Amino acid sequence: AQSVSQHNHHVILSEAASLELGCNYSYGGTVNLFWYVQYPGQHLQLLLKYFSGDPLVKGIKGFEAEFIKSKFSFNLRKPSVQWSDTAEYFCAVNANTGFQKLVFGTGTRLLVSP
Amino acid sequence: DVKVTQSSRYLVKRTGEKVFLECVQDMDHENMFWYRQDPGLGLRLIYFSYDVKMKEKGDIPEGYSVSREKKERFSLILESASTNQTSMYLCASRSQGAANEKLFFGSGTQLSVL
Repeated sequence: AQSVSQHNHHVILSEAASLELGCNYSYGGTVNLFWYVQYPGQHLQLLLKYFSGDPLVKGIKGFEAEFIKSKFSFNLRKPSVQWSDTAEYFCAVNANTGFQKLVFGTGTRLLVSP
Repeated sequence: DVKVTQSSRYLVKRTGEKVFLECVQDMDHENMFWYRQDPGLGLRLIYFSYDVKMKEKGDIPEGYSVSREKKERFSLILESASTNQTSMYLCASRSQGAANEKLFFGSGTQLSVL
């Protein structure tokens, strides 16, 4: 079965700082990888996803993530955060075969101070 | 835009009560999911359904059951609510397509069991 680890539970940054949130997964086969975001008071929404091709994927609002297969990682990055990026970020994985339930990490709360 | 609607935003129940959480989606999605979200634990899958009248246990099904009599509606049932079921409950749906299809989430139901 798949599992996901997010090592940073809380991150505090100042505006314009660079962001990198770690995500590691465990699964031996081909996977699809996702980052979801939950802004305060809003529902979860997809930030970006990787399923094949270029391992560097770009999402909404200037976010990107890089899939490194050898490290089982899918870290989320943004060069310069804004106050509006304050949210909780979840990494998720599903296997690419059969019926796929999505397994989520424990989430990282990001606070960006103005 | 896909809409996933959860009937209640906040719910307060007493220990031992039978609780119904309702979820309706308007995009003819085959797959529907119930997660619970707890601080520090992320999202954990309770049950999912890949089609009408079909249901499968997720990672934490104990104390819960589900019903999917119509394609658009997926209900989560707490047969006898307990305090450890106090949580945020999230419903999600997804089209049958490829495994990399994104989930659409509802706004959640914050359940408090006293």
